Amino acid sequence: AQSVTQPDIHITVSEGASLELRCNYSYGATPYLFWYVQSPGQGLQLLLKYFSGDTLVQGIKGFEAEFKRSQSSFNLRKPSVHWSDAAEYFCAVGARYGNKLVFGAGTILRVKS
Amino acid sequence: NAGVTQTPKFQVLKTGQSMTLQCAQDMNHNSMYWYRQDPGMGLRLIYYSASEGTTDKGEVPNGYNVSRLNKREFSLRLESAAPSQTSVYFCASRVSTGLDNEQFFGPGTRLTVL
Repeated sequence: AQSVTQPDIHITVSEGASLELRCNYSYGATPYLFWYVQSPGQGLQLLLKYFSGDTLVQGIKGFEAEFKRSQSSFNLRKPSVHWSDAAEYFCAVGARYGNKLVFGAGTILRVKS
Repeated sequence: NAGVTQTPKFQVLKTGQSMTLQCAQDMNHNSMYWYRQDPGMGLRLIYYSASEGTTDKGEVPNGYNVSRLNKREFSLRLESAAPSQTSVYFCASRVSTGLDNEQFFGPGTRLTVL
């Protein structure tokens, strides 16, 4: 069965510190992977996506993610967090030609000054 | 270009009432989706429409119906609302299946059923 696990429900980091949000997936075929961010009261905005090719992908707002097939992981990173990064982050997996995305439960990021 | 729009933004219903959530996109996308978001559960797919004229069930379709009115609009109907349907509902659209592309999301409708 397809599933996405985000092990951390909440993470708190200091402004300027580095960030890593974990995502592990279970998928029977070649996974297409996404990270979305949801600011309070807003819809979801795509941060980055991985379809194929270079396993380190760059996204918007200074985020990057690395696909590791051997570990079934797609962790999101940012070298220096800003207060405006406080939000909820969702990892999702789908099939290249499929319709359905499976989302993780989300990780809430708090940034302390 | 407004992207994906949803109405209403907020709604309070009593148990047993019915309502329709509206969604429209102006990006000429073929595929549209309805999700519900509950704390600790991420987003779960209710129904989707791969193209105009087609609809299919997602993970949690019970208690809902959908209509793909035209290419732009995809509505979600609750015929007899229940407290378990209290949630935030998101509509999304995508260029098409069969292509490398992502889903674009609307701002959501926060629904409370008393």
